[in-house]
Amino acid sequence: EAGVTQFPSHSVIEKGQTVTLRCDPISGHDNLYWYRRVMGKEIKFLLHFVKESKQDESGMPNNRFLAERTGGTYSTLKVQPAELEDSGVYFCASGGSGQFLYNEQFFGPGTRLTVL
Amino acid sequence: AQKVTQAQTEISVVEKEDVTLDCVYETRDTTYYLFWYKQPPSGELVFLIRRNSFDEQNEISGRYSWNFQKSTSSFNFTITASQVVDSAVYFCALSEVIQGAQKLVFGQGTRLTINP
Repeated sequence: EAGVTQFPSHSVIEKGQTVTLRCDPISGHDNLYWYRRVMGKEIKFLLHFVKESKQDESGMPNNRFLAERTGGTYSTLKVQPAELEDSGVYFCASGGSGQFLYNEQFFGPGTRLTVL
Repeated sequence: AQKVTQAQTEISVVEKEDVTLDCVYETRDTTYYLFWYKQPPSGELVFLIRRNSFDEQNEISGRYSWNFQKSTSSFNFTITASQVVDSAVYFCALSEVIQGAQKLVFGQGTRLTINP
């Protein structure tokens, strides 16, 4: 079974540019999550999709961040325009649904974003 | 608000030594789940264990063991006879579920280095 995949693995952009990160969850997982780890700090929750619906986006830092999950499969996270403080590692995770809500979340390898 | 504290930022030991990684959490929920994840140099977060708040039995898996104590709000992780391959960053996390939306609250992580 394929795990969670993320693309790209690393992105370097200039301040003010736009970047789109992609996450492909494990097949059949309704729940998809985005997290972010800024240098040296803890991993922080950004948002949670159930299928194509945003269940909780309380962790999104501001309106420069836009997440979508059209069709309830893969998800994209767009940062526009990027700022220096957006640099960090962006993780995607997926998990089961319903009674499996408390199960572990399976994480992808992350996308390392560097904003210069 | 929920919080997870991993007071040890970095630990370095010699191979074959035992090492314990501390994790202290705060929550007002009566039902909650605790997790440990390992982040090897390759970057992905690897699930190690999930423990629910009603099960205080200690768990052992090979050289790994976990000690959950509700009285002290701690969920510590011990590696016995450590090996170089155990070198990684280890994260403790607490699961919060609100109205069907789940998120993990992570500690800051402990970087463990096992020296040959």
